[in-house]
Amino acid sequence: EAAVTQSPRSKVAVTGGKVTLSCHQTNNHDYMYWYRQDTGHGLRLIHYSYVADSTEKGDIPDGYKASRPSQENFSLILELASLSQTAVYFCASRTGFSNERLFFGHGTKLSVL
Amino acid sequence: AQSVTQPDARVTVSEGASLQLRCKYSYFGTPYLFWYVQYPRQGLQLLLKYYPGDPVVQGVNGFEAEFSKSNSSFHLRKASVHWSDWAVYFCAVSYPTGKLTFGDGTVLTVKP
Repeated sequence: EAAVTQSPRSKVAVTGGKVTLSCHQTNNHDYMYWYRQDTGHGLRLIHYSYVADSTEKGDIPDGYKASRPSQENFSLILELASLSQTAVYFCASRTGFSNERLFFGHGTKLSVL
Repeated sequence: AQSVTQPDARVTVSEGASLQLRCKYSYFGTPYLFWYVQYPRQGLQLLLKYYPGDPVVQGVNGFEAEFSKSNSSFHLRKASVHWSDWAVYFCAVSYPTGKLTFGDGTVLTVKP
């Protein structure tokens, strides 16, 4: 079974601080994604990448940066964390075919205080 | 722009009863459609997916979905719900570029 591992599982951050969420996949997948989920809502795409050393903006990229240093690793960076960024963040990976499923990590619960 | 609407935020059914969760999509062309399930404190898992072809798609654990181009719908069904089906269900539509758009989800509660 394909594996996507996120770290940390949960984090408490202070407003204005820097936060880095990490994602590692062993699926040999080209595409990787960062989504955020707010209580009672679906997932919204923040950033994605289809090749190492390149990232693309998703639907809600403001306040976030992404980094894809290798095919296996994809990080989400909050340079100046804000209260509104409190959410659960999911990383996912997929092959290069748009009709294929996403494999999700277990999520990172981020609380910004 | 593509979008997905799940009109029912919450659905409650009795164990053993049948289930339908609704999904409406907006997409120019023929979409790739998916249903994902999220169990408590877990990531999303694929239930089933639709490619152009047979409109009725079978998934895991007895779930199926029916695609209707005329109604722009992709409703999820199950003949007999089990308590373990208690979860949040997401419908999603995929662009050929690979970008996936999710609906807001439907919380399914199963009464004993």
